[in-house]
Amino acid sequence: SAVISQKPSRDICQRGTSLTIQCQVDSQVTMMFWYRQQPGQSLTLIATANQGSEATYESGFVIDKFPISRPNLTFSTLTVSNMSPEDSSIYLCSVDSPRGAEAFFGQGTRLTVV
Amino acid sequence: QQQVKQSPQSLIVQKGGISIINCAYENTAFDYFPWYQQFPGKGPALLIAIRPDVSEKKEGRFTISFNKSAKQFSLHIMDSQPGDSATYFCAASMWETSGSRLTFGEGTQLTVNP
Repeated sequence: SAVISQKPSRDICQRGTSLTIQCQVDSQVTMMFWYRQQPGQSLTLIATANQGSEATYESGFVIDKFPISRPNLTFSTLTVSNMSPEDSSIYLCSVDSPRGAEAFFGQGTRLTVV
Repeated sequence: QQQVKQSPQSLIVQKGGISIINCAYENTAFDYFPWYQQFPGKGPALLIAIRPDVSEKKEGRFTISFNKSAKQFSLHIMDSQPGDSATYFCAASMWETSGSRLTFGEGTQLTVNP
C-alpha cells in the first residue's frame, strides 16, 4: 500500500483567508485525487491532479476556489481560497497504489472556518 | 448516472452477529467496487474491493458479494465485534479509464453492541 501524509492535520482559520493543504506520498503515483467530506456526510470528489497537467475539477468545484498544484509524482497541494464557514470540512487526498490495483487515503485535514 | 446508493444509513448489531450493508449503482461502466471503513477523526481505510469478473471475495471476516446483473454489491461482516463500530462507505469507479476516481455511497454507521 501507499503511505500518504497530509499536512496540516487540522486547522482553524478566519473567514476570508486561504489555507494550503499538502499531500505527500511515499512512492511515485500517476493520479492523485482530492475529496471533501462535510460533517457527517460522505466523500465528494473535488478534482483529479495529474503531474504535468492542469487539474480536472468536478461539477460544483472551480479552480479559483480550490487551486491545485502537482509539481511531481509524489506531492500535491490543495488550496481552499477565500474561506467561509461553509468550507468547514475534512479534506482528503487519495492515490492509486503503485501497482494500480487499489485506492488509498490520507488521514485528512480537518478545517474549521470561523 | 454516477450515483451509488447505500443502505441502511445506520445499523445496530449484537456482538457475534452478521452485519450486512448494501449498495446499488447505475453506471454499468463501473469496474472497481471498494469498501472503506472510517473511524472518527481518521481517513477512510480500504477494507476490501472487488472487480466485476467475480461474484464474491472474502478476506477474513469481511466478504463482498457482487451481483452484476442486478447492479448491486454488499458487504458482510461475520462475527461482528465492538471494534468494528465505524462508518462504512461503498464506492465505485471506472478504473480502466479514470483510475480510482471514486463515487461514494452515503455511508452506514455501524454499531456493534457488546
